[in-house]
Amino acid sequence: ETGVTQTPRHLVMGMTNKKSLKCEQHLGHNAMYWYKQSAKKPLELMFVYSLEERVENNSVPSRFSPECPNSSHLFLHLHTLQPEDSALYLCASSQGRRVTGNQPQHFGDGTRLSIL
Amino acid sequence: SQQGEEDPQALSIQEGENATMNCSYKTSINNLQWYRQNSGRGLVHLILIRSNEREKHSGRLRVTLDTSKKSSSLLITASRAADTASYFCATGPNNAGNMLTFGGGTRLMVKP
Repeated sequence: ETGVTQTPRHLVMGMTNKKSLKCEQHLGHNAMYWYKQSAKKPLELMFVYSLEERVENNSVPSRFSPECPNSSHLFLHLHTLQPEDSALYLCASSQGRRVTGNQPQHFGDGTRLSIL
Repeated sequence: SQQGEEDPQALSIQEGENATMNCSYKTSINNLQWYRQNSGRGLVHLILIRSNEREKHSGRLRVTLDTSKKSSSLLITASRAADTASYFCATGPNNAGNMLTFGGGTRLMVKP
């Protein structure tokens, strides 16, 4: 039990499909994050939510749309993706009411996304 | 731009040997964290060391931080095959509201 659960673990989709990734944390944390991990590249922060409000968006293309309905759940809605979007998408959470880089982050095991 | 950079990018050792990984960064930090990632899994937090600390231990892990050189090292003593993983450093900036920035990682292979 990692405390952060992501579903599905694997997803294959065509460029015209619409799908959603789900993340749930059972740790009572206030902040949740979406990261993209591509081969041979550092972890890229995509979105950050604190107490359900988005606090950071690192210029991610609009084909990625996040949703945070409450502090335990985070979604990433996908539509019209490109082959270069194939990657491991990781969700993380951390404590604290303010989002900073000063807390350990707890990660899920990710969704391996492949775009055909 | 990437804040933390690990060195080496890959390391292969025999079981029982020590493994040392280094991380360099560019701007001032509040803290530096080390994470491990096993193949196909998420990152696992190992140690957080604050900018006013010089050394920290956790089991077989020893982390040092030299803020004058803007560098940190992670030492794994008496390595085991189960230590095979990628190891990442992440820097927490001094500016409030700014996020952790991860390096590209060191891939460690421990041969039995």
